[in-house]
Amino acid sequence: AQSVTQLDSQVPVFEEAPVELRCNYSSSVSVYLFWYVQYPNQGLQLLLKYLSGSTLVKGINGFEAEFNKSQTSFHLRKPSVHISDTAEYFCAVSDPGGSYIPTFGRGTSLIVHP
Amino acid sequence: ETGVTQTPRHLVMGMTNKKSLKCEQHLGHNAMYWYKQSAKKPLELMFVYSLEERVENNSVPSRFSPECPNSSHLFLHLHTLQPEDSALYLCASSQDVEIYNEQFFGPGTRLTVL
Repeated sequence: AQSVTQLDSQVPVFEEAPVELRCNYSSSVSVYLFWYVQYPNQGLQLLLKYLSGSTLVKGINGFEAEFNKSQTSFHLRKPSVHISDTAEYFCAVSDPGGSYIPTFGRGTSLIVHP
Repeated sequence: ETGVTQTPRHLVMGMTNKKSLKCEQHLGHNAMYWYKQSAKKPLELMFVYSLEERVENNSVPSRFSPECPNSSHLFLHLHTLQPEDSALYLCASSQDVEIYNEQFFGPGTRLTVL
């Protein structure tokens, strides 16, 4: 079974600074990868996904992520964050050869300070 | 608005109570899911329904009983819960489970068991 590691439980950053949220997964076989965002008192919302093709994936709200197969990583980046980006971010992985239902990481809390 | 609604948004219950959580999706999807979200733990998949049939049950205690009367509605019946069952319960839906489809999440029900 797949597993997902989000190394940072909390990432504080100042407004307009760049940010990277790290995600590593357990298997080197073909995978689908996702980043979800959860704003306070809301459910999860898909930010972006990698299914195949270009390893650099662009999502909503200016976020992007890069799939690195050799390092089994899928780190999320944004060049300049806003206060409104304060939220919980979840990395997830699914195995297209098995169940398409994703396995989620523990989440990283992004806290943007003014 | 994701097209998935959950009621109630907050619920406090004693260990001897019986209550139900309700989820409704307005997206015409065929698959629905219950997840448990506890603080700083990965999202735990509890149940999956596809076309009103349960297709996955991840070793969830019998004090949680799901019901899917039609493809638009999903319930989670609760009885004799324990304090450690306190968590955010998220409902999600997707077009189906056989191939990859994006999951759409509801806002969750915050459950507190006293």
